[in-house]
Amino acid sequence: NAGVMQNPRHLVRRRGQEARLRCSPMKGHSHVYWYRQLPEEGLKFMVYLQKENIIDESGMPKERFSAEFPKEGPSILRIQQVVRGDSAAYFCASSQTSGGLEETQYFGPGTRLLVL
Amino acid sequence: AQKVTQAQTEISVVEKEDVTLDCVYETRDTTYYLFWYKQPPSGELVFLIRRNSFDEQNEISGRYSWNFQKSTSSFNFTITASQVVDSAVYFCALSEMYSGYALNFGKGTSLLVTP
Repeated sequence: NAGVMQNPRHLVRRRGQEARLRCSPMKGHSHVYWYRQLPEEGLKFMVYLQKENIIDESGMPKERFSAEFPKEGPSILRIQQVVRGDSAAYFCASSQTSGGLEETQYFGPGTRLLVL
Repeated sequence: AQKVTQAQTEISVVEKEDVTLDCVYETRDTTYYLFWYKQPPSGELVFLIRRNSFDEQNEISGRYSWNFQKSTSSFNFTITASQVVDSAVYFCALSEMYSGYALNFGKGTSLLVTP
């Protein structure tokens, strides 16, 4: 499967725990984007990363959320001290080149986070 | 302000009917791109089409067609002879310089095709 891979597909956490969401981009893609989908809402942009660099984090909440895309391995979206409002589907997308306007972002299957 | 508006929240049709999903966008840029994605019940997002602001030709791909009209800032999606497998949530999205790297998504239209 050469598509964008995300794991886990479903994640249950209790309030105050940490959530780690992983994303492996499509083969040959070096640009990763994270989006959040709240119930009955469209997707909202969170962050755009290239290897070892955060390029645009304008959509990231200021606290508790962080993202990385190391030189080796998947991109990680980390949510510390989760609250019920963090319950959502988190989608990762990747693109082949520069992240310009024309770039098509290909999405993974998403991680459904449920905070109890 | 919502940059992409999909006014139809839910549509229900009977198999073999044609159905059009509306998308209206708002941008100050002269160069921008529009996208449609499909989210079937399994939850993944599937890319359907990309269109740039300088190309107003309509596009047809099998039973799918897209009508882009800059004069009305619309990028509508028509499914001809709908099938049960078309049941999904369909999202329209806008990529513009003003928004940086983000795709701006509409809230989606949930399409239900019944036998």
